[in-house]
Amino acid sequence: GAGVSQSPSNKVTEKGKDVELRCDPISGHTALYWYRQSLGQGLEFLIYFQGNSAPDKSGLPSDRFSAERTGGSVSTLTIQRTQQEDSAVYLCASSPQGTSGSRTGELFFGEGSRLTVL
Amino acid sequence: GNSVTQMEGPVTLSEEAFLTINCTYTATGYPSLFWYVQYPGEGLQLLLKATKADDKGSNKGFEATYRKETTSFHLEKGSVQVSDSAVYFCALNAGNNRKLIWGLGTSLAVNP
Repeated sequence: GAGVSQSPSNKVTEKGKDVELRCDPISGHTALYWYRQSLGQGLEFLIYFQGNSAPDKSGLPSDRFSAERTGGSVSTLTIQRTQQEDSAVYLCASSPQGTSGSRTGELFFGEGSRLTVL
Repeated sequence: GNSVTQMEGPVTLSEEAFLTINCTYTATGYPSLFWYVQYPGEGLQLLLKATKADDKGSNKGFEATYRKETTSFHLEKGSVQVSDSAVYFCALNAGNNRKLIWGLGTSLAVNP
């Protein structure tokens, strides 16, 4: 399809296990974002990729969280040694613009990956 | 710092009722303001936006006016439909895309 694709849509894991969440952005979009949506917490910024620039990791909550973006396209968010507080919906978004010019702020979101840590 | 406050839900209305969802913000400078909507089972999508004071964003019968004097961007619709049932998020962009600041979301349920 033409939209942002995320997988898996649902993931149930045991505390202490590692998980990988994948995001395939819209073709041609240079900017990619990961957000976390927790019940009653709104959207929490995690990490931002723009082209070949170093990613902005300022939102990652701990060093158990990491993300890569290969070839300027697909991104993987990895959570190591999962904890129950990591349970949330992880949203990926892409945008044709980066930070250099536009303030339009239109992000195109995937449907999210719901992570449940038991 | 920058922040967004929107009214708590859930909001329950009958079809054809008037809708207002309040959103106020705190920001330095001149932010752009947005309403995003999340329909059941779908991803977030942009509903409307306004990039400067007194601008009115509109889409699908929804409107919101950027009021700098009251630091508000309230969402309104004159006659809601069942298909408008969703969660609505107010957000601001204070200068770079990665720092979209979000409200907590307001759930709207419209009954026939």
